[in-house]
Amino acid sequence: DQQVKQNSPSLSVQEGRISILNCDYTNSMFDYFLWYKKYPAEGPTFLISISSIKDKNEDGRFTVFLNKSAKHLSLHIVPSQPGDSAVYFCAASPADNDMRFGAGTRLTVKP
Amino acid sequence: NAGVTQTPKFQVLKTGQSMTLQCAQDMNHNSMYWYRQDPGMGLRLIYYSASEGTTDKGEVPNGYNVSRLNKREFSLRLESAAPSQTSVYFCASRTTSGRADTQYFGPGTRLTVL
Repeated sequence: DQQVKQNSPSLSVQEGRISILNCDYTNSMFDYFLWYKKYPAEGPTFLISISSIKDKNEDGRFTVFLNKSAKHLSLHIVPSQPGDSAVYFCAASPADNDMRFGAGTRLTVKP
Repeated sequence: NAGVTQTPKFQVLKTGQSMTLQCAQDMNHNSMYWYRQDPGMGLRLIYYSASEGTTDKGEVPNGYNVSRLNKREFSLRLESAAPSQTSVYFCASRTTSGRADTQYFGPGTRLTVL
């Protein structure tokens, strides 16, 4: 039973446009959320996180939005760049040392 | 500063064989983790070690054992490999067990069990 779901396996956007990656979760005990980015043949790298006490966190071109009532979060990348092409994993944590990952969304940014 | 290193990068086993996946970090991190990644499943936690000398089960521990050899090294052992253990295995480490602390991942080990 996947508690964190990324329903879009892939997303393709034009360079310079906005990329929006979505993530839904089912467990109301999740109170900390993260996005990781993964290039081929490498491990995931941390991108941005948000605590459940916030509804938005911004870091440069990356913004994460959290809608607790809908159990939904999204990652916005503006503007998108070809180097952003990677697999993006959403993760949620209900407690320390417990992190549940979504299946990932492959983002392709076309020049 | 190599970060998190894993050996081997690739491995093919026959059903019933055993092997140990090695992980080391040079960032003086306290906590270390083993995950597996399967298609359509995301990463799932197998075991973790919150500090040297302690280990705990994660979401999918069956069929695996771990050893926290010292602060730097955390190994994952498959005693009798099964085809269901075909996966990509990632090791990660983190400085403390604080919620905001980032996990740093190794490059992964791709394991195939025939």
